[in-house]
Amino acid sequence: SQQGEEDPQALSIQEGENATMNCSYKTSINNLQWYRQNSGRGLVHLILIRSNEREKHSGRLRVTLDTSKKSSSLLITASRAADTASYFCATDTSGGSNYKLTFGKGTLLTVNP
Amino acid sequence: NAGVTQTPKFQVLKTGQSMTLQCAQDMNHEYMSWYRQDPGMGLRLIHYSVGAGITDQGEVPNGYNVSRSTTEDFPLRLLSAAPSQTSVYFCASSRLASSSYEQYFGPGTRLTVT
Repeated sequence: SQQGEEDPQALSIQEGENATMNCSYKTSINNLQWYRQNSGRGLVHLILIRSNEREKHSGRLRVTLDTSKKSSSLLITASRAADTASYFCATDTSGGSNYKLTFGKGTLLTVNP
Repeated sequence: NAGVTQTPKFQVLKTGQSMTLQCAQDMNHEYMSWYRQDPGMGLRLIHYSVGAGITDQGEVPNGYNVSRSTTEDFPLRLLSAAPSQTSVYFCASSRLASSSYEQYFGPGTRLTVT
């Protein structure tokens, strides 16, 4: 399996509810990033959390990182129909001159109006 | 700034044909990369570059060539297209100096090989 794997694969909620997506990984990381992809579009960077951070906020987004469990979660509060998209975690395992950012397979979030 | 641009948006090739997917960025980013996205597989890194004249292989490099003659451009070449290369291709760039490697993605090229 890949370095980063999101769970669940798909999530359907009602507008106004909170959405939580999880990401598990295997090896030590420098940082973990979350991206959003609207259907048919490129990915857009949402938030980055470094390996020495435990929680980070950006607007309605809250990201946690537990390096002991090698897992991260992305919480979207008070979801909107416009939040409907696929969400990907990406783990940075770069070292020296070797840059490596590995993406998971994504969680498809559907927010119903 | 236009950000990261990719051309063409759509392309249909016959098996054995060659083509080049173009990627350009106007943010003076050192790092550029190519990914392919297939259903159920997420994004897989094909090739990347940390600066002009420097390229390296990613996870799935076979069947693809790249070069980086300028900071702005990072073309991806398919020398002899195969049906297995049917996919959506994304180019991305980022600054290395920031140490966060936030990547900026282009809109993608949808390639079909028949």
